[in-house]
Amino acid sequence: GAVVSQHPSWVICKSGTSVKIECRSLDFQATTMFWYRQFPKQSLMLMATSNEGSKATYEQGVEKDKFLINHASLTLSTLTVTSAHPEDSSFYICSASPGLAGEGVFGPGTRLTVL
Amino acid sequence: AQSVTQLDSHVSVSEGTPVLLRCNYSSSYSPSLFWYVQHPNKGLQLLLKYTSAATLVKGINGFEAEFKKSETSFHLTKPSAHMSDAAEYFCVARNQAGTALIFGKGTTLSVSS
Repeated sequence: GAVVSQHPSWVICKSGTSVKIECRSLDFQATTMFWYRQFPKQSLMLMATSNEGSKATYEQGVEKDKFLINHASLTLSTLTVTSAHPEDSSFYICSASPGLAGEGVFGPGTRLTVL
Repeated sequence: AQSVTQLDSHVSVSEGTPVLLRCNYSSSYSPSLFWYVQHPNKGLQLLLKYTSAATLVKGINGFEAEFKKSETSFHLTKPSAHMSDAAEYFCVARNQAGTALIFGKGTTLSVSS
């Protein structure tokens, strides 16, 4: 079946640094990729939707200058957390869909810990 | 605005007994609805989905859910729980534009032997 990978699976960084998280669709082309954030024991919150070759659409309240999303190819999207702070520590999950709609396939997530 | 409400944050059952995880949705249209399971340190896995075909939807691992429009519910059930069913379960609806998913807050299922 369709598989989505994320790298790294866990990253620890110092406050003020930037961290890049990759999301790859391994065996299909993802027209649309979604980025979610999940706090401990809470639900997933959609951060942004990205379509290949165009700018990402951010949900209300998500700082687009802090969470940079690039969807340069049909199999890769990246989320860069710029100038990370401890409150950015969270579980970041991506989902990839072959079409503009659809539930997509979820990646395993990336745990970010900012010290 | 569309919303998904999971009525129980935590459900505990004994192995071999039935499982019921409750979900209600609120929307001005008939949405596509899903149940996902998330095991610790693993990605979300789709259990089943409803897309306006049969109202009783069968999923993987013996789970099923029934869409009841009159009750705006989409409860997840399983006749007999296994220890391996212990996980976090999310009820999810697709937004009206069909471009994103709206997650409920999740229900933690614990299974005791």
